[in-house]
Amino acid sequence: GAGVSQSPSNKVTEKGKDVELRCDPISGHTALYWYRQRLGQGLEFLIYFQGNSAPDKSGLPSDRFSAERTGESVSTLTIQRTQQEDSAVYLCASSLGGTETDTQYFGPGTRLTVL
Amino acid sequence: AQSVAQPEDQVNVAEGNPLTVKCTYSVSGNPYLFWYVQYPNRGLQFLLKYITGDNLVKGSYGFEAEFNKSQTSFHLKKPSALVSDSALYFCAVREGNTDKLIFGTGTRLQVFP
Repeated sequence: GAGVSQSPSNKVTEKGKDVELRCDPISGHTALYWYRQRLGQGLEFLIYFQGNSAPDKSGLPSDRFSAERTGESVSTLTIQRTQQEDSAVYLCASSLGGTETDTQYFGPGTRLTVL
Repeated sequence: AQSVAQPEDQVNVAEGNPLTVKCTYSVSGNPYLFWYVQYPNRGLQFLLKYITGDNLVKGSYGFEAEFNKSQTSFHLKKPSALVSDSALYFCAVREGNTDKLIFGTGTRLQVFP
């Protein structure tokens, strides 16, 4: 079966523009996660979805960041008025359920560069 | 608060030798521990996890990890390294009743022929 897919794989944008990043989780996975990986650093949690609800948005760095999930499937992470510090790889992961023992499977990521 | 430490930025080992990548953790409840590997320009691939039971966990590609509660460690090991094992390795912990993984900063493993 297909793994987690993300699009686009690379995105270059100008400072101040809005961007949308897409994640397609593994079919049947109810939990979906977004992380950010800055160059040379570990992963930073952004947001978690259980179904279409986001019980934990604590990692979103500012109100310029938002995310939604529809149909308990595809998720979109939107960054408004992008800044250079938003440049990073954005990784999406999904798991069968949302319990702490479930394995999260990651997509290949979207590399965002803000000029 | 949960945290993970990977004390080595880089580990160098000769092909055929055993390798160890270190990880220590801090949680207030039961720890659930994971290792992931990241190859260049690719996402993270799951290697193995510790939930409960045997302290020695076996995973993909011949890797294993040993959970040590008294030392709060979960070191990744492999008896004989391959050049193709060269990659970035991340340890992660998830505490019971929480919904996110906390990752270490990663250790770059370089296996020399």
